[in-house]
Amino acid sequence: KAGVTQTPRYLIKTRGQQVTLSCSPISGHRSVSWYQQTPGQGLQFLFEYFSETQRNKGNFPGRFSGRQFSNSRSEMNVSTLELGDSALYLCASSSRPDSYEQYFGPGTRLTVT
Amino acid sequence: SQKIEQNSEALNIQEGKTATLTCNYTNYSPAYLQWYRQDPGRGPVFLLLIRENEKEKRKERLKVTFDTTLKQSLFHITASQPADSATYLCALPNAGNNRKLIWGLGTSLAVNP
Repeated sequence: KAGVTQTPRYLIKTRGQQVTLSCSPISGHRSVSWYQQTPGQGLQFLFEYFSETQRNKGNFPGRFSGRQFSNSRSEMNVSTLELGDSALYLCASSSRPDSYEQYFGPGTRLTVT
Repeated sequence: SQKIEQNSEALNIQEGKTATLTCNYTNYSPAYLQWYRQDPGRGPVFLLLIRENEKEKRKERLKVTFDTTLKQSLFHITASQPADSATYLCALPNAGNNRKLIWGLGTSLAVNP
């Protein structure tokens, strides 16, 4: 089975721009979570989707949004980028919402200049 | 608020020895705790989950303990190998929503041949 894939792997944007990141979960997995990872804060939960519905949301501003499609692929969007948004954005999938075992993708490294 | 602490200093050990990593948490009693491994430039990989009613769990050379009185989990790698070198992260469910994980910053382990 192919693992979780994320595109793009690397991205450089300037302040004020917006960005869309994509995640394809493991085939058959319908639950997708997004995390932001920075050296100072570690991994922080952004949101979780299941069957195209956002089930949980972390404590991030409204500039961070996401969605999930009927094929379980998910995208997250960050608008009006700030320097502090520079981070590794990780997507994780699990087979069902009550499964605690998550499978992570390689992440998208976003640099905001 | 909930807090997770892991050894911030890197751990250097000799091949063949047992590595012991610590995860301490405060201010609540999680239903479970997870350990992940993360290699540079890659997403975390799930290793073990231990529930609050389990004192110890093993998987091959890995052993995790969970002391709810001390609010601490210990992660042991026996007969360590250079390939075990990585950052190890512990994660616990958010007190208000156990589908949202909160993460430690991780401990870097280097196993020297």
